[in-house]
Amino acid sequence: GENVEQHPSTLSVQEGDSAVIKCTYSDSASNYFPWYKQELGKRPQLIIDIRSNVGEKKDQRIAVTLNKTAKHFSLHITETQPEDSAVYFCAASTRGGADGLTFGKGTHLIIQP
Amino acid sequence: DTGVSQNPRHKITKRGQNVTFRCDPISEHNRLYWYRQTLGQGPEFLTYFQNEAQLEKSRLLSDRFSAERPKGSFSTLEIQRTEQGDSAMYLCASSFEATQYFGPGTRLLVL
Repeated sequence: GENVEQHPSTLSVQEGDSAVIKCTYSDSASNYFPWYKQELGKRPQLIIDIRSNVGEKKDQRIAVTLNKTAKHFSLHITETQPEDSAVYFCAASTRGGADGLTFGKGTHLIIQP
Repeated sequence: DTGVSQNPRHKITKRGQNVTFRCDPISEHNRLYWYRQTLGQGPEFLTYFQNEAQLEKSRLLSDRFSAERPKGSFSTLEIQRTEQGDSAMYLCASSFEATQYFGPGTRLLVL
């Protein structure tokens, strides 16, 4: 089955700096890659997603890049703010999101004031 | 609130007891998913339904676990003969297309 590795497990950046979280996946059939943000005690919330026919997608301060050949994708957050502090999960799906998602173990992003 | 809802939000039980959780998806979402999340880990897929049909079950879903979605709306997840290792957050999600929207979860503690 699919395996998703996520790095780093903890990332501390100064407010205003950029943060990058990286994930690799094992199943070349995976074609949908969402990113979720989970604040302490809250439900995971989708922040951005990308499909395998696209190499990059951007939404304001958040962007995701996908390299199908290398089977890795990354989340980029620019101009980080205190409210960006949370745990971020990458995930992969082989059926465009219609099946169960395979998640990475998460990255705890800490924004230092 | 028109989001995914789950009940109860917390459940404490003794080892060996049966527990049942309920998930109400977003109206008109035809797919419903169950995940389990332990501390410091990402959600792990358990099973999912398209309408009332259970289409996939993870190997994590042992014989003690059963899920139903009888009318294609709400779903229940039952755990029989609970074990301490079942302690976790049980998350439900629903979708119409690709995006899965998560509920607040039911936190289970097995003593």
